[in-house]
Amino acid sequence: QQPVQSPQAVILREGEDAVINCSSSKALYSVHWYRQKHGEAPVFLMILLKGGEQKGHDKISASFNEKKQQSSLYLTASQLSYSGTYFCGTEVIQGAQKLVFGQGTRLTINP
Amino acid sequence: DVKVTQSSRYLVKRTGEKVFLECVQDMDHENMFWYRQDPGLGLRLIYFSYDVKMKEKGDIPEGYSVSREKKERFSLILESASTNQTSMYLCASSLYRTGFGNTIYFGEGSWLTVV
Repeated sequence: QQPVQSPQAVILREGEDAVINCSSSKALYSVHWYRQKHGEAPVFLMILLKGGEQKGHDKISASFNEKKQQSSLYLTASQLSYSGTYFCGTEVIQGAQKLVFGQGTRLTINP
Repeated sequence: DVKVTQSSRYLVKRTGEKVFLECVQDMDHENMFWYRQDPGLGLRLIYFSYDVKMKEKGDIPEGYSVSREKKERFSLILESASTNQTSMYLCASSLYRTGFGNTIYFGEGSWLTVV
């Protein structure tokens, strides 16, 4: 039931772009994206609701394809501060009151 | 700012001990959650609660129980700790049900080592 994230890890140089994918075997109502830095709490990035929307702020954006049951997180012109582990959390039933998270994608940005 | 506070950051317990992990949120949130985080497995839901004295099993409830006597406080209990429960435990809360534009806020985590 856990969504599958890919890749599991990626190493970039500052300024490069990255895409992180999140795929579910079940139909999704919403997808949430979080970033966690080492030793810290996961921090909310954005929510995408059913409707196929694309959201973004600054150089981090995301899309949600209901038909394919997947979401993608786009990081453009990556900065050192983007380093961390990214998690997608999926809600398969509206009002389920819980998120099921993927296994995480570790992103390392080098100068 | 929402604050989710976990009382202990680092604990070392012996096999068979009863362990309490405490979590308090200060924003009058309805829902509270306990997740377990392990390398390569991501965040897995143990239990959640949507109201005082209410609880629902998550994906991996075996070996755990919870208590929610007050709205702001959610406790995770390991009745008899075992070494395979060595992990990072994350408490979280959200205002209402997820999927309605609600964010889940996480605490900083409790690292539990069972020896």
